[in-house]
Amino acid sequence: QSVLTQPPSVSGAPGQRVTISCTGSSSNLGAGFHVHWYQQLPGAAPILLIYGNNNRPSGVPDRFSGSKSGTSASLAITGLQAEDEADYYCQSYDSGLSGFWVFGGGTKLTVL
Amino acid sequence: QVQLQESGPGLVKPSETLSLTCSVSGGSISVYYWSWIRQPPGKGLEWIGYTHYSGNTNYNPSLESRVTISVDTSKNQFSLKLSSVTAADTAVYYCARGHLRNYSFYYMDVWGKGTTVTVSS
Repeated sequence: QSVLTQPPSVSGAPGQRVTISCTGSSSNLGAGFHVHWYQQLPGAAPILLIYGNNNRPSGVPDRFSGSKSGTSASLAITGLQAEDEADYYCQSYDSGLSGFWVFGGGTKLTVL
Repeated sequence: QVQLQESGPGLVKPSETLSLTCSVSGGSISVYYWSWIRQPPGKGLEWIGYTHYSGNTNYNPSLESRVTISVDTSKNQFSLKLSSVTAADTAVYYCARGHLRNYSFYYMDVWGKGTTVTVSS
């Protein structure tokens, strides 16, 4: 059970906008620590999508955007495409126990 | 273009030590931080730890007593050793390049393809 909670699944039709939430607590997102997002296509390694709450690495389409407020963060995908079907993970720092980096449980995005 | 490649045994016996190596090509290992992450079958990602060529390391507290991550700058490689393994350590193991902006701001922007390790007798 991760300290960062994501919905197990979300879905949307091509061209639509979807959001994936990542909910934490006062020991991680609520403490002001940054959130990062990764995309994992089926059978592949994760890819960095968003770092530092809302920054896109070069090469990531601007259809992907991130935001953070209080103890929650969101990844938004606009103009949904079939190739966006993947698992998405949020990651942040948790100051509980000894402090370390944690991932959310992951969200499976299905493009209908 | 930096590339990472994991290597090591795909099968490890219970109670033994899992040893993996990540080879870094296209860039020097004496920059950035270098992490290991694992993913049990059908489950999510778990950060194992990171190292830096300076010797700075940081481990997941739940694994700290069994984990060692180290760098070999002469070979441009870094390695993972996980001792006293059990079936719960069966997973795909990824190595990744990390950026540490401060003690809490850490993300991984280049990943290896991953290697599957099964713990079984």
